[in-house]
Parts: sequence; structure tokens; C-alpha cells
Amino acid sequence: KAGVTQTPRYLIKTRGQQVTLSCSPISGHRSVSWYQQTPGQGLQFLFEYFSETQRNKGNFPGRFSGRQFSNSRSEMNVSTLELGDSALYLCASSLAPSGGQETQYFGPGTRLLVL
Amino acid sequence: AQSVTQLDSQVPVFEEAPVELRCNYSSSVSVYLFWYVQYPNQGLQLLLKYLSGSTLVKGINGFEAEFNKSQTSFHLRKPSVHISDTAEYFCAVTPDPSGTYKYIFGTGTRLKVLA
Repeated sequence: KAGVTQTPRYLIKTRGQQVTLSCSPISGHRSVSWYQQTPGQGLQFLFEYFSETQRNKGNFPGRFSGRQFSNSRSEMNVSTLELGDSALYLCASSLAPSGGQETQYFGPGTRLLVL
Repeated sequence: AQSVTQLDSQVPVFEEAPVELRCNYSSSVSVYLFWYVQYPNQGLQLLLKYLSGSTLVKGINGFEAEFNKSQTSFHLRKPSVHISDTAEYFCAVTPDPSGTYKYIFGTGTRLKVLA
């Protein structure tokens, strides 16, 4: 079974631009979570989607948004990019909404560099 | 509120020596605890998790962890490390499923295995 895939793997943008990242979960998984990983802040939870509905959201500004499609694929969008948005963005999928019992499977991430 | 503290940012150890990576958490509710490993340029992979039952949890690649409720710790151990164990290790906690879901990760511990 194919793992979680994320596209693109690398991205370079300039300040003020917007970016869309894509995540395809493991087949059959309906929950997708997004995380931002930076050297200074570590791994921070962005949001989780299950059956096209956002279940939880982390403490990020409204410039960060996401959505999930009927096939469980998910996208996250960052508008008006700032230098501090440079990070590794990780997507994780699970069979059901994560609440402890479910194992999350992570993709390799999208490394975003904002110049 | 919950938090996860990984007491060591870097741990160097010689090959075939034992290692312990420390993790402490604070929470006012029952928690589930996880250890993930991240190899260079990859996403996170679950090593093991504690949900309930036996406090000694065995995971993949010879790792194990012990849940100590009184000390609010979940330290990761391996009796004999290999060069291939060089990676970053993250401890994570989620609340009880009846609470609001959110994974909280520690800042990570870089394990460097020396020949």
C-alpha cells in the first residue's frame, strides 16, 4: 500500500506570494493532519480534516487554511507569505480522527523556503 | 494545558552502547504517549505508543519505553544502538479521546551514534 505522498517536495517563493501544498493520504484513510516543523518552534499542529470537515485547528493566523476533498486528499494554502513561514510542512493521515488510538502516518514533507 | 519536554536536545552515544532519551509531560487529564523517529529528509515514523495497560511498551527496531505516571515520564530506551539509529526522536502526547484532539510534540532529541 502506498504511503502518504506530498507534493511538491520543495518550493521556493517570495514574500507576499501564496502557496498551495498537496497531500494524498494512504488509501482508506479519511483523516489528514498538517504540521509545521521549524528548527526554532519544532513541530506545531496546524489543522486536522476528517470527511471534508475541519475538526481542529492550531494557533496559526488566518493566512493558513486548508481543505479536504471527497477522496480524502487535502490541500493547505498559505497566503501573503512571510519569511517566517519557511519550514517543513508535514502531512499525516490516519484511518479515523486522531484522538490517541489512531496511529498517524507521516508523509516526507514539503520544504518551503520564502525569500 | 499540556506540554511535553524532551530534556536533551542532542545525545551522542557509541555504537552498541545503551541509550535513554528522556521525555516528561504535564497534563491534567489522561494521556496517550508516543515516540516518533525522523530520519534525514523524511517524515516521522511511529516507534511505539502507550495507550493503556502495561507500562512497558515495546516498539520497532528494538526500542522500548516505560510510562511512569507518578513521574509523568515516558523515556525511550534501547539496550544497544546501531549507526542506523542516528536520527531525531520526538515524544508526543494527545489528550483523552473525550477531550479536544491535538497532538503536542516535544522539541526533539538528536541521537548521534558514533562508530
